[in-house]
Amino acid sequence: SQELEQSPQSLIVQEGKNLTINCTSSKTLYGLYWYKQKYGEGLIFLMMLQKGGEEKSHEKITAKLDEKKQQSSLHITASQPSHAGIYLCGADGTGANNLFFGTGTRLTVIP
Amino acid sequence: ETGVTQTPRHLVMGMTNKKSLKCEQHLGHNAMYWYKQSAKKPLELMFVYNFKEQTENNSVPSRFSPECPNSSHLFLHLHTLQPEDSALYLCASSQDRGSVYNEQFFGPGTRLTVL
Repeated sequence: SQELEQSPQSLIVQEGKNLTINCTSSKTLYGLYWYKQKYGEGLIFLMMLQKGGEEKSHEKITAKLDEKKQQSSLHITASQPSHAGIYLCGADGTGANNLFFGTGTRLTVIP
Repeated sequence: ETGVTQTPRHLVMGMTNKKSLKCEQHLGHNAMYWYKQSAKKPLELMFVYNFKEQTENNSVPSRFSPECPNSSHLFLHLHTLQPEDSALYLCASSQDRGSVYNEQFFGPGTRLTVL
């Protein structure tokens, strides 16, 4: 079975600090998706990476996919309380858009 | 309404009840998905529909029965559930399956509690 490992499982940072969340697969991926989830709510799409070495940014969030397409990192610069939530990475392992997900990283930002 | 909506948002049911979850997408998409999110477990894909046809059943027990009458609506019929079926059920949609940059858009979920 395919699995995604996310680290860390939880993260508490002071407002204004930078942070990085990692997502690792044992297999090459067709696509890597980052989502954010508020507790008990739906997922909000952040970014999708498909090409090895690809990097995308949106506001203060940057995501990268390594050359082998097996590891991705999500970096938040100058974190704000609005960044708090659960960050999930999801991946397409077959090209059929059937996503499997990591267990998530719970981010708390202290004002 | 915009995006993906789900009703009800919360549902409590007994093990002998029959209930249905509803999902509606207003994005003009052709693929729809049901996911289950249990505490401390990864989000699990349950069913996939593409152009109203079921294309994926991820070994889901028969007490969960999906229905997709058209590309905009997706239902999950529930009967004789078990307490371990309590979870957040999420619906998603995408333009279709297998194409490039085909992100899935999620609804807010239905929090299901089985007593």
